[in-house]
Amino acid sequence: AQTVTQSQPEMSVQEAETVTLSCTYDTSESDYYLFWYKQPPSRQMILVIRQEAYKQQNATENRFSVNFQKAAKSFSLKISDSQLGDAAMYFCAYSPLFSGNTPLVFGKGTRLSVIA
Amino acid sequence: EAGVVQSPRYKIIEKKQPVAFWCNPISGHNTLYWYLQNLGQGPELLIRYENEEAVDDSQLPKDRFSAERLKGVDSTLKIQPAELGDSAVYLCASSLGRTNSPLHFGNGTRLTVT
Repeated sequence: AQTVTQSQPEMSVQEAETVTLSCTYDTSESDYYLFWYKQPPSRQMILVIRQEAYKQQNATENRFSVNFQKAAKSFSLKISDSQLGDAAMYFCAYSPLFSGNTPLVFGKGTRLSVIA
Repeated sequence: EAGVVQSPRYKIIEKKQPVAFWCNPISGHNTLYWYLQNLGQGPELLIRYENEEAVDDSQLPKDRFSAERLKGVDSTLKIQPAELGDSAVYLCASSLGRTNSPLHFGNGTRLTVT
């Protein structure tokens, strides 16, 4: 079974600084998707960024980028120029590529605080 | 485009009472998911629907939990009777149903069982 591990229960960052959230996963599949979701106090899970494992290039979405190390099964999220609105729970998630919408497997999350 | 709508936002009940949660997915999304999120944890799948068919309910505790999606659109998740350990957030999500289509989540229902 696939597992996702987030080893940092809590992180903090100064406003305008950069922070990196860690995620490792375990799978025997060669092709899959990886995701980072943000969950603010409103509880809605918001997709931040997605990476296809067959793509070598790291995904980037504005201030959010990932460092995808397939061999190490590592998928970290870097947030640049952190803003107060970035404060939230962040979940790393895994999904197989060809499984008819097999649902996401989530990590336990990292709570990010942004200090003004 | 309206997002995934869930109601109620909060529900407080006494143990052994029944409770129901409602979800209206994004229009056109034929795949619907119910997730359970315990405090300090990531969401875990309870059940997945493809249209009106439950295609994955292996994690649904069928002795007390039930779900339906009669017309393949909105869905209801029910617990009867509720137990103290059922206190959690219940999230609904929907997607287009294609392999790489992203999940869109609702705001969830926070259930407190006293």
